[in-house]
Amino acid sequence: DVKVTQSSRYLVKRTGEKVFLECVQDMDHENMFWYRQDPGLGLRLIYFSYDVKMKEKGDIPEGYSVSREKKERFSLILESASTNQTSMYLCASRTGTSGGPGSGANVLTFGAGSRLTVL
Amino acid sequence: GEDVEQSLFLSVREGDSSVINCTYTDSSSTYLYWYKQEPGAGLQLLTYIFSNMDMKQDQRLTVLLNKKDKHLSLRIADTQTGDSAIYFCAERAPGGSYIPTFGRGTSLIVHP
Repeated sequence: DVKVTQSSRYLVKRTGEKVFLECVQDMDHENMFWYRQDPGLGLRLIYFSYDVKMKEKGDIPEGYSVSREKKERFSLILESASTNQTSMYLCASRTGTSGGPGSGANVLTFGAGSRLTVL
Repeated sequence: GEDVEQSLFLSVREGDSSVINCTYTDSSSTYLYWYKQEPGAGLQLLTYIFSNMDMKQDQRLTVLLNKKDKHLSLRIADTQTGDSAIYFCAERAPGGSYIPTFGRGTSLIVHP
């Protein structure tokens, strides 16, 4: 099974701190994603990456940046954390190949999430 | 633009059937998905349906697709307390990116 590991399950940071959220997947997936999940708002896409050193803005990229130096690792960076960035952050990956879900294509595999509290 | 709508909460008694509904706007969606998020965990694919199908059954799960009305539903038969979770409907966006669009999620609460 594909495993997506988010290294920190719970973090508490102070306003203005730089925050790194790390995500590692072990199935050689090309595509990786960062979402934030808030009650009543569902999942909102922050950034995604098609492959190493590639990144694309999602729906809410403001206040965030990402890094993908290696295929298996996708990092989300909050340059200066603010209280409105308190949220659950979910990382996901998928194969970049075409095809239907039965082959595993176009199916996202998620990590367990990182709950960030900014004081 | 694309949008996926779901009601936020559903409460049922153990043993009853649950029906979670979803509407979507993009008629060109080829795949529609149901993901399940258990407490403290990430989302996990539960089932999916291809747009040329009307129905898909998988053990206790039945997915119905009404393409004309852009309506998707997930029926869970004999709902158990272990089915308590948030269920997300998602459609595959058209175009090269194929980034799925998720609904806001329906919290299913199963009472003993």
